[in-house]
Amino acid sequence: ELKVEQNPLFLSMQEGKNYTIYCNYSTTSDRLYWYRQDPGKSLESLFVLLSNGAVKQEGRLMASLDTKARLSTLHITAAVHDLSATYFCAVDPPLLNTGNQFYFGTGTSLTVIP
Amino acid sequence: DTAVSQTPKYLVTQMGNDKSIKCEQNLGHDTMYWYKQDSKKFLKIMFSYNNKELIINETVPNRFSPKSPDKAHLNLHINSLELGDSAVYFCASSHQRRGLLSGNTIYFGEGSWLTVV
Repeated sequence: ELKVEQNPLFLSMQEGKNYTIYCNYSTTSDRLYWYRQDPGKSLESLFVLLSNGAVKQEGRLMASLDTKARLSTLHITAAVHDLSATYFCAVDPPLLNTGNQFYFGTGTSLTVIP
Repeated sequence: DTAVSQTPKYLVTQMGNDKSIKCEQNLGHDTMYWYKQDSKKFLKIMFSYNNKELIINETVPNRFSPKSPDKAHLNLHINSLELGDSAVYFCASSHQRRGLLSGNTIYFGEGSWLTVV
C-alpha cells in the first residue's frame, strides 16, 4: 500500500522561529507537490518539485525534494501568523495501467503563535 | 470564474437517504477526482476518472458511485447514507499525467460538507 507520511502532524511555533516539515513516501515518484489548506477552505497549490534535488522558494517557505531518499521538506523561515494552516504533500506516481492518481500526506497542522 | 465548482456546499441529511454531489470543471482537464477528508483532515482518494478509465479505490464502499456525463463533470452519488459518511468531499481535476519534466497540478473545488444525522 502506498503511504505518504508527514512529520509532525501538529506544529505550534512562535513567530520569528524556523522549522521544517518532513514528507516521506513509500513508492518511487519523480515529483512531489505541496499544498496549503486554510480552515474551512479548499486546498491551494504551493510548490511543484519535478526532479531530484529540486528546491523552490516562495516568501518564507522553501521546499526541497530528494527522490532517492523519498523525502521532501518544507522549511519555514521566521514564521508569521499568516502561515497558520494545514500543509499537505502529495505524490502522483506513475502507476502501471492506472493513469494518474494523487496521494496526499497525512497533513501538518501549523499554528504560529504571536 | 470558478475553475472547479461543486454543489451543494453544505448538506445535512438523515441516515438511509440517497444524495448526490455535483462537480464541474472549466479547465479543460481530462482527469477528475473525488477525495474524502475526514475530521482528522486526512485526505483519501475515492475515485479518479478520465474519459477512458475509472479507477476506484478498493476501500470505498459500493454505496458510492461516480457518474460522468461528460469530460467536464464528475458527480458523486451516495446510496443509503451512514453516519460514518459524514465528511468533507472534495472534487478535483488535473491533466492526465505527463512526461518526466511536466508538473501536473491538481485543482480542488471548495468542498461539500456532508453531515449525516
